[in-house]
Amino acid sequence: DTAVSQTPKYLVTQMGNDKSIKCEQNLGHDTMYWYKQDSKKFLKIMFSYNNKELIINETVPNRFSPKSPDKAHLNLHINSLELGDSAVYFCASSQGWTRQETQYFGPGTRLLVL
Amino acid sequence: GNSVTQMEGPVTLSEEAFLTINCTYTATGYPSLFWYVQYPGEGLQLLLKATKADDKGSNKGFEATYRKETTSFHLEKGSVQVSDSAVYFCALLTGNQFYFGTGTSLTVIP
Repeated sequence: DTAVSQTPKYLVTQMGNDKSIKCEQNLGHDTMYWYKQDSKKFLKIMFSYNNKELIINETVPNRFSPKSPDKAHLNLHINSLELGDSAVYFCASSQGWTRQETQYFGPGTRLLVL
Repeated sequence: GNSVTQMEGPVTLSEEAFLTINCTYTATGYPSLFWYVQYPGEGLQLLLKATKADDKGSNKGFEATYRKETTSFHLEKGSVQVSDSAVYFCALLTGNQFYFGTGTSLTVIP
């Protein structure tokens, strides 16, 4: 039973395309996150949603748009992909906004933009 | 501002060697401190944590002590195994936001 799952696991695409990464958690958590891990393994928060409401929106290009259809899902849509978007994107969830130390991470989606 | 600095890798050790991965932080207020581990091809997993000064977090033979006077949270293990090969991230939580270090890659050879 996967706690936090992401699809796809690998994504190779051309510059300029639009793509989505899906995230689902079956833990009953209220808060979900997207992180970007660059080639140097630096991990940076992008977005956080609590009860389907946006809580954190770091300095991320507006080509990135998260969507939370329900508490169990937080999808990441990326428009007009650029070479610099190549990275590993991690989804995570926690029991609540004040319980971030309980974060569970997904396995990551490896995005390569050609 | 808030930040975490950890030693650059990669680190390569022989099995049963002693491990130290240094981590220092800068934070406003009283942060909680964490070590996360990322095994190849997987997401991050919480390894251990400490929520106040002088607390010691421990798990799977790893330990780290929250040192407020030196603003440090160094990770140690007395005898590493091949299965410990992974990337280790130091992190702090303050103001309901996580700040991660850049990760230290550890390879343990038999």
